[in-house]
Amino acid sequence: AQTVTQSQPEMSVQEAETVTLSCTYDTSENNYYLFWYKQPPSRQMILVIRQEAYKQQNATENRFSVNFQKAAKSFSLKISDSQLGDTAMYFCATDSNYQLIWGAGTKLIIKP
Amino acid sequence: DGGITQSPKYLFRKEGQNVTLSCEQNLNHDAMYWYRQDPGQGLRLIYYSQIVNDFQKGDIAEGYSVSREKKESFPLTVTSAQKNPTAFYLCASTPDVVRTEAFFGQGTRLTVV
Repeated sequence: AQTVTQSQPEMSVQEAETVTLSCTYDTSENNYYLFWYKQPPSRQMILVIRQEAYKQQNATENRFSVNFQKAAKSFSLKISDSQLGDTAMYFCATDSNYQLIWGAGTKLIIKP
Repeated sequence: DGGITQSPKYLFRKEGQNVTLSCEQNLNHDAMYWYRQDPGQGLRLIYYSQIVNDFQKGDIAEGYSVSREKKESFPLTVTSAQKNPTAFYLCASTPDVVRTEAFFGQGTRLTVV
C-alpha cells in the first residue's frame, strides 16, 4: 500500500529564514505525482507545488522548491525567505488509484 | 468566481441523528471527493465520484453515504451508524483525476453533542 510519511510534526523559524520540510513516500506506481499542499489557519487547502515523478528536474514556484530524490523516495519542500503568511499546516501527498494518499502534516510557524 | 462551497461551516448533531453536509462546485469538474480530517492525521478519503450517478467508497466509507445526481453537487450524509463522527470534513474536486490540482472547499466542522 502507498504511504506518505512526514517526520516533523512541528517546526518554527524566524521570518526571512529558509526552512525545509521532509517527506518520504512508498509507492508501487510507475508513473506518479507528488504534491505539497498548504492549509493555513483558515483551513482552506491550497496546492503549493506539484512534481511529476518521471521528470528529473525539481519543481519550483517562486519561493517554494522541492528536492525530489526518486531512488530514495524523498520529496522535501524548501521555503526561501519565509514570510508570516507561510504559517500553516503543510501536507505531502501522492496519487494512487484515483485518490491522494496524505502524510500526517507538518505544522510550520513563522516567527516575526 | 469559480470555486467549491461547503455548508454549513459549523454543524452540531445529536447522537443518533443523520446529518447532511453540502458541497457545490461551479468549476465544471468531473471528479469530486469527500475527506475527513482528524488532529494529527492526514486526510482520509470517505467517498469519491468521477462522474454523475456514480461514486466509489474510499478508505473509511462505513457510516457515510453520498449521492451524485448533478455534476455540481456531491452531498455527504453522516449516518447514526458512524461511531465517531466528530471531525472536520473537506470536499474537493478535480477536472478528471487527482494528478491535476485538487480544489478544496473551506470545510465543515461537525460536532456530535
